[in-house]
Formats: sequence, structure tokens, C-alpha cells
Amino acid sequence: EVQLVESGGGLVQPGGSLRLSCAASGFMFSTYWMSFVRQAPGKGLEWVANIREDGGEKYYVDSVKGRFTISRDNTKNSLFLQMEGLRAEDTAVYYCARFSSTSSYHYGLDVWGQGTTVTVSS
Amino acid sequence: DIQMTQSPSSVSASVGDRVTIACRASQGISSWLAWYQQKPGKAPKVLIYGASSLQRGVPSRFSGSGSGTDFTLTISSLQPEDFATYYCQQANSFPLTFGGGTKVEIK
Repeated sequence: EVQLVESGGGLVQPGGSLRLSCAASGFMFSTYWMSFVRQAPGKGLEWVANIREDGGEKYYVDSVKGRFTISRDNTKNSLFLQMEGLRAEDTAVYYCARFSSTSSYHYGLDVWGQGTTVTVSS
Repeated sequence: DIQMTQSPSSVSASVGDRVTIACRASQGISSWLAWYQQKPGKAPKVLIYGASSLQRGVPSRFSGSGSGTDFTLTISSLQPEDFATYYCQQANSFPLTFGGGTKVEIK
């Protein structure tokens, strides 16, 4: 079964750090770009970051640049989001998702984890 | 950045109704567009990719059309399980961006 399972969410004080993990199974993880998407309480979806299959390219939404780092370990089929300098506005459910795309076609974010909740509050 | 604007933000409809949701990109994105359905407390699920291709396992009452800047998601005959929030998303360029969402509610 194709599956993504996130972990690592929790309550953190403003300015604090957190590391999210996403364990992939059921597909060849090393051949896919991967994404993090977040959803603040009662709000819409916001893309956070993407990482290429080999980790050689990374992209971020402006609001997290310099504070968040996406990485992956293809030997362990795992995706990570290191979050530092957390702010109240980073409070959200964070999803990892498989980004299925080629140079000529986008198949969408076609596999999603269940999400992990990050709450930034004092 | 490419802005994605969805309309309406909400729609009330009855079972069996035809529902159409629009999504407009601030610049041309060819067919680099996907549509998602999200139910409360659940992760989104992709319905349509490449603007008009139906994801495997998605009922044929869902369809997508458009290219360039204007796109449409149509539900031909609304079913009880279709009451949810729908999002469009462009993948033409980074940053990836989503529309604001359209909530389909029971009339």
C-alpha cells in the first residue's frame, strides 16, 4: 500500500524549533519529488516546500525561507522538515505529499499523509 | 508568483445538481493544474490533473476543463459524498499555489 506517515508535530513556543518526519512506503521514494503543504486552522491549503528526487533542488514559500529546511534520506525512505524560528502564524496541520510530475506533465500531489499538527504558542 | 483565484468561495446545492467551480490563474499556466477535494479533518485527495485528466478511482461525474488562465471543475450530478471543499493548484512554476477553496454545502 502506498503510504505517507508524518510525525514530529507538537506544541512549541515562539522562536522554538521542531523537526517533522514523513515515512514513505509502498512506492519507489527515491524517484519522486516530495512536498510539504500546510493548513492553518479554518484556512485553505498553503504549499510550503519541495525537494527533488536526489535532494539537489529545493524550493520554499517566501514566508519560511531562511527558517525552514526540507531534506530527505532516500536510504530510509524519509522526508524531513526542520523548522526554526517558529512563529504563531506557522500554526497549522502539516502534510507531506508526493509530487508527481515530469518535465512535461503534472500529475498532482497524488499521495498525502494524514498530517501532523504544529502549534506555536506561549 | 502566480495567484490562483477560485469562485465561488461557497455554493449551496442539492443532490443531483450540476455544480461548476471556476479557477483563474494570474498568468498562463498551460495545463499545469490539478483539482483536489478535502473533507473535514482529512487530507486532500487529487481528483483531476493536467487540467482535464481524471485521477484513477475518481467517479466520472467529476470533470475538468480549461487551459491557459481559465479552468473549471464540474460535478455533473452531485452526490452526498461530494459535499466537501475543493481547491485548484498550479504547478507551472514555484512557488506552487492553491486557490482559496470552494466549499460545496448542502442546500
